[in-house]
Amino acid sequence: EVQLVESGGGLVKPGGSLRLSCAASGFTFNIYDMNWVRQAPGKGLEWVSFISSSSTSIYYADSVKGRFTISRDNAKNSLYLQMNSLRAEDTAVYYCTRDFNTDWYIIAYWGQGTLVTVSS
Amino acid sequence: QSALTQPASVSGSPGQSITISCTGTSNDIGAYNYVSWYQQHPGKAPQLMIYDVTSRPSGVSDRFSGSKSGNTASLTISGLQAEDEADYYCSSYTIFSTRVFGTGTKVTVL
Repeated sequence: EVQLVESGGGLVKPGGSLRLSCAASGFTFNIYDMNWVRQAPGKGLEWVSFISSSSTSIYYADSVKGRFTISRDNAKNSLYLQMNSLRAEDTAVYYCTRDFNTDWYIIAYWGQGTLVTVSS
Repeated sequence: QSALTQPASVSGSPGQSITISCTGTSNDIGAYNYVSWYQQHPGKAPQLMIYDVTSRPSGVSDRFSGSKSGNTASLTISGLQAEDEADYYCSSYTIFSTRVFGTGTKVTVL
C-alpha cells in the first residue's frame, strides 16, 4: 500500500523558513516522480513543485520560484521542500504526492498533508 | 499559469446525472491527455477519480466518467448518491512542464 506521510509543518513568522519532509513507503520510491501541492484554508488546490525520480528535472510554480527548493533522498525514501522567505499567502496544507509513473504526468497518490501557518 | 475554470457549484437529486466542466487552453488541456479529476471530502486529502481524460483507477465507481473536447474537459457523475457530495477538482499537465488545477466545484446532493 502506498503511504506518504508529511511532517515539518507549523507556525512561522513572515520572512522565516521551514523544511517539510515526506516519508514514502509501500513502493519503490526511486523510480517515481513526486510533487508538492498546497491548499490554502477554504481555497482550491495549487501545484507547487515537481521533481523527477533521479532529481534531473525540477519545476516550480511561479508563486514560489526562487523561494522554495524541492529535493529528494532516494536512499531514505524521502521528499523535501525547503521554504524560505515565507509570506502570509504561503499559509496552506501542503500535500506530498506521487505521479502514476515516470513520464506519466498524473498525480495518483496523496499524503494527508501538513499545515503551514505564516503569521506574526 | 492561470487556474482551469470550473463552475463554483453543481447540484442534483439522488439518481440524477450531473456534469462538471473544466476549461483550459491550448497550453494545457488542449495539448495533452494528462487530464485528471479529484474528489475531496471536507478535511480529507483529494482522491483520484479519473486519469488520462477517461480512465478510472481500480476501486472507483463506474458512475464516474470523463471526456474532453478541445480545451474543455468534463466529469459526469451518473446515478448521483449522497456520498458523492464533495469538492471536485480537475488538473492538467502543461506545455511548461508544470501542472495546473481547476478552481474547484462543490457538488451538492439535494
